[in-house]
Amino acid sequence: EVQLLESGGGLVQPGGSLRLSCVASGFTFSNYAMSWVRQAPGKGLEWVSGLSGGGGTTYNADSVKGRFTISRDNAKNTLYLQMNSLRAEDTAVYYCAKDTDWGSGSYVGLDVWGQGTTVAVSS
Amino acid sequence: QSVLTQAPSASGTPGQRVTISCSGSSSNIGSNYVYWYQQLPGTAPKLLIYRNNQRPSGVPDRFSGFKSGTSASLAISGLRSEDEADYYCAAWDDSLSGPVVFGGGTKLTVL
Repeated sequence: EVQLLESGGGLVQPGGSLRLSCVASGFTFSNYAMSWVRQAPGKGLEWVSGLSGGGGTTYNADSVKGRFTISRDNAKNTLYLQMNSLRAEDTAVYYCAKDTDWGSGSYVGLDVWGQGTTVAVSS
Repeated sequence: QSVLTQAPSASGTPGQRVTISCSGSSSNIGSNYVYWYQQLPGTAPKLLIYRNNQRPSGVPDRFSGFKSGTSASLAISGLRSEDEADYYCAAWDDSLSGPVVFGGGTKLTVL
């Protein structure tokens, strides 16, 4: 069964840091681009970051550029999101998601999602 | 506000056909594929339509996607109570708004 399991969320003060992890199983992780998508309380979906299967191509939303870094360890089937300089507006449920496209990736078509991990930024 | 525009709500009765619209621009819908997601209350989003009109395995053929110019729509026929959910469109955006943009979502109520 194809699965994604996020962890690492929690309560952090403004300006603080947090690292999210997403462990994948049931598919050849290195063959697929992966993305992080977030959803603030009561709000819609916002795409955050995407990373190619080999880790050589990265995309980030303007709202997180310079603060968030996406990375992966294909030997461990794990995707990461390092979040620095956190702000109140970063409060959200963060989902990791697998791309539909084998290889280069679409970053828009996400066919497997984790259950999400909650990040709360507050003093 | 979102780069892709969706009506915040829609409704229909069981058995009815409803359409959810998504409006964009030449930099997103006009030049790239459109994707649709369904999010049931308290759950993660689910891919419903990819590449404008393709259904992933397991998605009923009651769900159909259409694209014309800089707009797209999702049609649900034979509406069921379990279709009550939030629906989001998404696309790649070639402008500074990108790279990936979502609509604000449409909450579908089955009356």
